[in-house]
Order: sequence, then structure tokens, then C-alpha cells
Amino acid sequence: AQKVTQAQTEISVVEKEDVTLDCVYETRDTTYYLFWYKQPPSGELVFLIRRNSFDEQNEISGRYSWNFQKSTSSFNFTITASQVVDSAVYFCALSEETSGSRLTFGEGTQLTVNP
Amino acid sequence: DTAVSQTPKYLVTQMGNDKSIKCEQNLGHDTMYWYKQDSKKFLKIMFSYNNKELIINETVPNRFSPKSPDKAHLNLHINSLELGDSAVYFCASSLQLTSGPNNEQFFGPGTRLTVL
Repeated sequence: AQKVTQAQTEISVVEKEDVTLDCVYETRDTTYYLFWYKQPPSGELVFLIRRNSFDEQNEISGRYSWNFQKSTSSFNFTITASQVVDSAVYFCALSEETSGSRLTFGEGTQLTVNP
Repeated sequence: DTAVSQTPKYLVTQMGNDKSIKCEQNLGHDTMYWYKQDSKKFLKIMFSYNNKELIINETVPNRFSPKSPDKAHLNLHINSLELGDSAVYFCASSLQLTSGPNNEQFFGPGTRLTVL
């Protein structure tokens, strides 16, 4: 069965600090996909990134970077030089090849960036 | 242009009523979903449809009945509403049913349902 754990319920930082959001997953599939979504206070869910299980290269997009490590079943998300607009709930999610495109979400991490 | 839209955005109703939430996507996707987000922000899949065919029914009470008149629309009808149905309901769509590259799900803005 697939499972995603985001152990950090809430994180609070001051603007310009770097922050890492942890995500640990469980799956029996060898082919799977990992995702991060952002849910700002306005409530919509915004897709940030998708990673497949065969691609462990880290990815950087502006101030965002993702560290995928199969050895520890982790897919962590780092925001560099955080800004107030980064305040949101961030969800990690998993989709297994054998489960079709169903997404299993973690519990979410509430990130608050203070000025 | 809105990719995935839902109506209404807010829905306040009394216990025991029947209500519907509509969802439409203009992305040309084959697969659509309903997710429920509870008061603790936990997101869980309820249903998925592929080309109007029900694929996933995730142990949801049968008071919830999805209907897909065509592959661009997936509506959610809820009978005999209960207090515990209060939540945010998200519609989503993806290119295809199978998990794969370029198959991320795009979500609608959500419908906040409050049952009094």
C-alpha cells in the first residue's frame, strides 16, 4: 500500500531563511511518481513538480529545489531565501504505476514565512 | 482561460438536503477525479472517471454519486447531507488514467461545503 508522511505539521521561518520540507514515502512499486503541490491561503492547489522513480537527479527551479533519494525513500523540498508569498500548505503526493493515476497525499506542512 | 472549474465555490446547506457540485475541464483530458479535503487539510481521493467510466470508488458512502455526462464534466451529487460532509471538495483532471510522465493532475479551485 502506498503512504506518504510529512512529519512537519507546521514550520515558521523569517523571510530570507532557507527552509526544507520533508517527505517520506512507502511503496512496493518499482515505478512510481512523486509530486509536490502548494496550497496558498486562497485555497487552490498548485502543481509544483513531478518526479519519476527512475530519475534521482535533483531539480532546481528558481528558489525551489527538490532532493529525491530512493535509498531513504525521501523527496524533500527546499525553498531558498524564503519570502512571505511562500506561506502556504505544501503537500507531497505519490502515484504508483499499479494504482493508475490515483494520488496519495501526505498530511501537508503549513509553512509560515514572517517578515 | 480556466483549466478546471467548479461551481459553486461556496455551498451552505442544512442537514438532510441534497446538493450537487459541478466540475468542468477544458484541457482535453480523459480522466477526472473528486478529492475531499477535511478540516485538518487532509486530502483523499473519492472517485475517478476515465472517459465517462467510473474507475475508482474509494469507500465513499453511497449518498455520494458522481456523474460524468461527457469526459469534460464530472459532477458530484450528495444526498441526505450530514454534518460530517462539511469539507472542501476538489475536482481534478489528468491527461490519462495510467500513472506516467506528463500525467500530473490539475485541480479546480475547490468547493467549500458547509452543512449546518
